[in-house]
Amino acid sequence: DVQLVESGGGLVQPGGSLRLFCAASGFTVSNNYMNWVRQAPGKGLEWVSVIHNNGGTYYADSAKGRFAISRDNSKNTLYLQMNNLRAEDTAVYYCARVGTWSRYAMDVWGQGTTVTVSS
Amino acid sequence: EIVLTQSPGTLSLSPGERATLSCRASQISGNSYLAWYQQKPGQAPRLLIYDTSSRATGIPDRFSGGGSGTDFTLTISRLEPEDFAVYYCQQYGTSLWTFGQGTKVEIK
Repeated sequence: DVQLVESGGGLVQPGGSLRLFCAASGFTVSNNYMNWVRQAPGKGLEWVSVIHNNGGTYYADSAKGRFAISRDNSKNTLYLQMNNLRAEDTAVYYCARVGTWSRYAMDVWGQGTTVTVSS
Repeated sequence: EIVLTQSPGTLSLSPGERATLSCRASQISGNSYLAWYQQKPGQAPRLLIYDTSSRATGIPDRFSGGGSGTDFTLTISRLEPEDFAVYYCQQYGTSLWTFGQGTKVEIK
């Protein structure tokens, strides 16, 4: 079965750091575009970052300079390092795969991990 | 950066009725990489439609997508009880993705 499982969320103070994990099974992370998408409480979806199969990385303006996406091919795991966190980063963070067939649409999603930035 | 505007914000309909959801882009992207997702409370989004009009695996044929240029639609031909949810459109453009703000389809 193709599956994504996020972890690493929690409560962090403003200015703090957190590292999110997304463990994949049933497919190879390095063969796909892999994304982080977040959803603030009661709000819509916001794309955060992508890592391409060739290793290229891109970020939403809200994440540039503070977040870093990476992957460990040996562990088939995606990461999101988040630094200098702000209250507005409070959200459920989903990892999502762009399918090789789905024309840049995200066909597999994890269940999400919750990040709360508060003092 | 493309902005996607969905309308209406909320659609109140009864089971069996037809739902038509709109997604308007602020500019033409030059591609057809427009997708639709369904999200129910407490769940992750689920891909319904990709490439404007192609149904994802396992999606019933009562869901259909269409449009071109800057105007796109998601149509649910006959609403089933499990279709009441929030729907998001999404467009891909040059290594970034944009979501609309969502349309909630609620039971009337």
